[in-house]
Amino acid sequence: TQLLEQSPQFLSIQEGENLTVYCNSSSVFSSLQWYRQEPGEGPVLLVTVVTGGEVKKLKRLTFQFGDARKDSSLHITAAQPGDTGLYLCAGDPSGTYKYIFGTGTRLKVLA
Amino acid sequence: DVKVTQSSRYLVKRTGEKVFLECVQDMDHENMFWYRQDPGLGLRLIYFSYDVKMKEKGDIPEGYSVSREKKERFSLILESASTNQTSMYLCASDYSGANVLTFGAGSRLTVL
Repeated sequence: TQLLEQSPQFLSIQEGENLTVYCNSSSVFSSLQWYRQEPGEGPVLLVTVVTGGEVKKLKRLTFQFGDARKDSSLHITAAQPGDTGLYLCAGDPSGTYKYIFGTGTRLKVLA
Repeated sequence: DVKVTQSSRYLVKRTGEKVFLECVQDMDHENMFWYRQDPGLGLRLIYFSYDVKMKEKGDIPEGYSVSREKKERFSLILESASTNQTSMYLCASDYSGANVLTFGAGSRLTVL
């Protein structure tokens, strides 16, 4: 089974701090998605990155796709308590709709 | 907004019981998926379907079956529930090639 490995698994930070979450694989992906999941809910899509080296910004969140399309990162600037949640990267490595997910990064932002 | 509805949010079943988890989407998506989510293991694909009556095994199909008789509905069936099937089950759907999964809120199943 192809894997998407995320790090760190857990992160607890103070409001206003910056953080980066990593998503790595040995496989090449045509695109990678980032989702956020809150307790009791399903994951919700944040962004899709498609082109190697691409950078996308969503307010205080910056997403980057690696040049080789094997990895991605999520950087949050000046984290807020509302950013608390489980962050998941996902992709379809074989183009067969068998989307795989990373193990997730559980972020807690303390006020 | 696309809506994916899982009819049961919480279920408690006994070992050996047959369990049906229902999922309905309202945006005419071709693809539908069932995942289970366990702490430390992330989301693992059980089955997916790319058309009515079509299904493909995911990474962990053992102990599960699925049914897709109508485009909008995808059911997950546990023929004989076991305690190791206690988990959060997530249904999702998307358009072919969109790479954007829309998830339901999840069904938390406890097997005693």
